[in-house]
Amino acid sequence: EFVLTQSPGTLSLSPGERATLSCRASQSVTSYNLEWYQQKPGQAPRLLIYGASSRATGIPDRFSGSGSGTDFTLTISRLEPEDFAMYYCQHYGGSPGYTFGQGTKLEIK
Amino acid sequence: EVQLVESGGGLVQPGRSLRLSCAASGFTFNDYAMHWVRQAPGKGLEWVSGLSWNSGTIGYADSVKGRFTISRDNAKHSLYLQMNSLRAEDTALYFCAKVRLVGDWIAAFDVWGQGTMVTVSS
Repeated sequence: EFVLTQSPGTLSLSPGERATLSCRASQSVTSYNLEWYQQKPGQAPRLLIYGASSRATGIPDRFSGSGSGTDFTLTISRLEPEDFAMYYCQHYGGSPGYTFGQGTKLEIK
Repeated sequence: EVQLVESGGGLVQPGRSLRLSCAASGFTFNDYAMHWVRQAPGKGLEWVSGLSWNSGTIGYADSVKGRFTISRDNAKHSLYLQMNSLRAEDTALYFCAKVRLVGDWIAAFDVWGQGTMVTVSS
């Protein structure tokens, strides 16, 4: 079974700090299909990063994605108050379809 | 404005059926694959089902295979999810989502609706 494991489960940081979120795949994957989403309470998810490293339309450049193989990272260079939210990675792995990681909660310290 | 609006959720007894709808506007619906993603209360995201622009490619999560049916009506710019034999574990907020790339089944989900809540309980 294909699994995406995100770490840490919760990350406590202060505005202005740098955030590093990890997404590890249970087997090597194509970067082309590795995406990152942000979700705030009561809202739908928002696409941040597609293809492991490309920012979606309207996403600030403080968000960046990197990685290959089994290890991927979402970095937020300088946290703004509006960045505190849940973050999910996602991959399309063929059958049966898409897999999401369990999420990382980024909270204010 | 690109928009997706889900409807059809509600409270339903275990074993019964429900049909969700997703109305699309602001983009050429016929060109894009569409998906359903759900989120149980306090839990993470789970992909449920998706289909290509012409319904030629359809996929289901193992948890719903054989019980749920996805479909679309391009003339009505609408996506549907027929849910049969509902279980308590199907209780969730159901989102519809559009893929980023024209004609591609495999792509990031760049537009999401606000979701419709399904509660399965006796």
